[in-house]
Amino acid sequence: SAVISQKPSRDICQRGTSLTIQCQVDSQVTMMFWYRQQPGQSLTLIATANQGSEATYESGFVIDKFPISRPNLTFSTLTVSNMSPEDSSIYLCSVVLVGRDNQPQHFGDGTRLSIL
Amino acid sequence: GENVEQHPSTLSVQEGDSAVIKCTYSDSASNYFPWYKQELGKRPQLIIDIRSNVGEKKDQRIAVTLNKTAKHFSLHITETQPEDSAVYFCAANNDYKLSFGAGTTVTVRA
Repeated sequence: SAVISQKPSRDICQRGTSLTIQCQVDSQVTMMFWYRQQPGQSLTLIATANQGSEATYESGFVIDKFPISRPNLTFSTLTVSNMSPEDSSIYLCSVVLVGRDNQPQHFGDGTRLSIL
Repeated sequence: GENVEQHPSTLSVQEGDSAVIKCTYSDSASNYFPWYKQELGKRPQLIIDIRSNVGEKKDQRIAVTLNKTAKHFSLHITETQPEDSAVYFCAANNDYKLSFGAGTTVTVRA
């Protein structure tokens, strides 16, 4: 199985600022995704990170608020922009390994974000 | 899009007893159904999955059953142990994406 590293693991930020979260995988992957998990809740897909092109966002999430990059097969970033207390959540990346036909997804450890 | 409902939201069982979690899905095109276990402060970890060409799959104390006609699938944990205490999420695919259930908090009482 792959090692999926997320940085930072946690952060406390001031409202109005932005934070970029990194996701690095040590194996070749086909698909990368970004999720949000609000306290005590389930996982909600933010977007699919597409290599070399714009991410595909789910309903309710927009590029201006959550810009995503994926410059190569094994690395992606999610930026949470102009943060407010409502953005306090765990942000998780997930990946599908090469050769697995779109499933299953494996998750990183997540980034626990608190906005003051 | 896919809608996944999961029941119960909480489940308390005596150590050694069985636990059953049930999920229903809405999209008849879904063909992949994973289950994830998330311990407090940890990542969701895949524990078992099933594809639509299979009705049942077992891995040691964990089994999953799928009824495509009724569009529901279930997780069965036998001989529960304290380390089984966690939040469990079911999911169903919507093309290449996953839709998750709301989660079940399982507590195993010693």
